[in-house]
Amino acid sequence: QKEVEQNSGPLSVPEGAIASLNCTYSDRGSQSFFWYRQYSGKSPELIMSIYSNGDKEDGRFTAQLNKASQYVSLLIRDSQPSDSATYLCAALDSNYQLIWGAGTKLIIKP
Amino acid sequence: DTGVSQDPRHKITKRGQNVTFRCDPISEHNRLYWYRQTLGQGPEFLTYFQNEAQLEKSRLLSDRFSAERPKGSFSTLEIQRTEQGDSAMYLCASSLQEDTEAFFGQGTRLTVV
Repeated sequence: QKEVEQNSGPLSVPEGAIASLNCTYSDRGSQSFFWYRQYSGKSPELIMSIYSNGDKEDGRFTAQLNKASQYVSLLIRDSQPSDSATYLCAALDSNYQLIWGAGTKLIIKP
Repeated sequence: DTGVSQDPRHKITKRGQNVTFRCDPISEHNRLYWYRQTLGQGPEFLTYFQNEAQLEKSRLLSDRFSAERPKGSFSTLEIQRTEQGDSAMYLCASSLQEDTEAFFGQGTRLTVV
């Protein structure tokens, strides 16, 4: 059974601090990984994709991938209250199917 | 292009009725996915299309569910004889190719009463 695991949270972070979200996956054949943000009652919105080991930065967001440890993370710098949402991690498996985590609820406290 | 579009945004139906949802993917996107999502869970895979071909359907999916993508453009998802357990957000996503990012529509929230 291919799985993507995330801590459900909630993860509470003070405004202006760094939020760190983590995700592990079981399928070693996975090559592509995605982070989506989902506000309550809304659909998921793609915020980052990462395909190679290492870091990928986009504005306040940094995605990190470690294929040896089967680990993906998302860092949000200078956290804002508007970042409060559920963050979904997804891995594209060897059959090109997206495997989804259940999401981590992030709360940014003003 | 305004992205993936789903219609309707909300649907309330009585148990036992049939419902149909529509999804218009981003133009030129070959892959189209249908997911279902309930509170506190990640998206649950239902089915996907590569152009007009339906390549996979979830084994967990009841035969009351059917999907089509005629001519490889828009897609419809039909649920026959709805049950209260079908109440969920139904999400459509599309991607350019099999290994690229998927973009979601706004979703259709179904409530079966």
